[in-house]
Amino acid sequence: AQTVTQSQPEMSVQEAETVTLSCTYDTSENNYYLFWYKQPPSRQMILVIRQEAYKQQNATENRFSVNFQKAAKSFSLKISDSQLGDTAMYFCAFCHSGTYKYIFGTGTRLKVLA
Amino acid sequence: NAGVTQTPKFQVLKTGQSMTLQCAQDMNHEYMSWYRQDPGMGLRLIHYSVGAGITDQGEVPNGYNVSRSTTEDFPLRLLSAAPSQTSVYFCASSYTATSGRDTQYFGPGTRLTVL
Repeated sequence: AQTVTQSQPEMSVQEAETVTLSCTYDTSENNYYLFWYKQPPSRQMILVIRQEAYKQQNATENRFSVNFQKAAKSFSLKISDSQLGDTAMYFCAFCHSGTYKYIFGTGTRLKVLA
Repeated sequence: NAGVTQTPKFQVLKTGQSMTLQCAQDMNHEYMSWYRQDPGMGLRLIHYSVGAGITDQGEVPNGYNVSRSTTEDFPLRLLSAAPSQTSVYFCASSYTATSGRDTQYFGPGTRLTVL
């Protein structure tokens, strides 16, 4: 069975600093997608960044970037220049190409400190 | 566009009661899905649909029914509510059923408590 593991239940970072959230996954397939979602206190789920497994280049979206290590099955999220608005739960998720079934990790609660 | 809408926002049920959680999207999305979110468990897929008339089970389908008679609507039915179904329920949709390639848009969630 496919699994997604986020080993850091909670993290904190000072405003303007950089933080990295960890995610590992388990699959025997070769074609899949990986995601990071943000869930602020409003409860709304928001897609932060997406990585396609066949692309070697790490995805970036403004202050958010990933370190995708396919062989190690690792997919970490780096947030640069952290802002108070980044305070949220962050979920790592995984989906095999063609299956439509998304698997989510248990989340990391990030608090950005002023 | 209103995006993905869910009603109600909050609901309290007694054990054994039935109810339907409503989900609608106005983006002409093919793919729609239901998740439940429990503390410490992340989101788990209940059911999903890749188009009108086509539904399939996710990871935790027991106790829930779905149907997709139109592209816009994807209701989730609890047949006989149990305390174990106390959770926050999210509906999501994406433009095509090509998994992963399109962004999933989530609704605001429904907090359900079963006493």
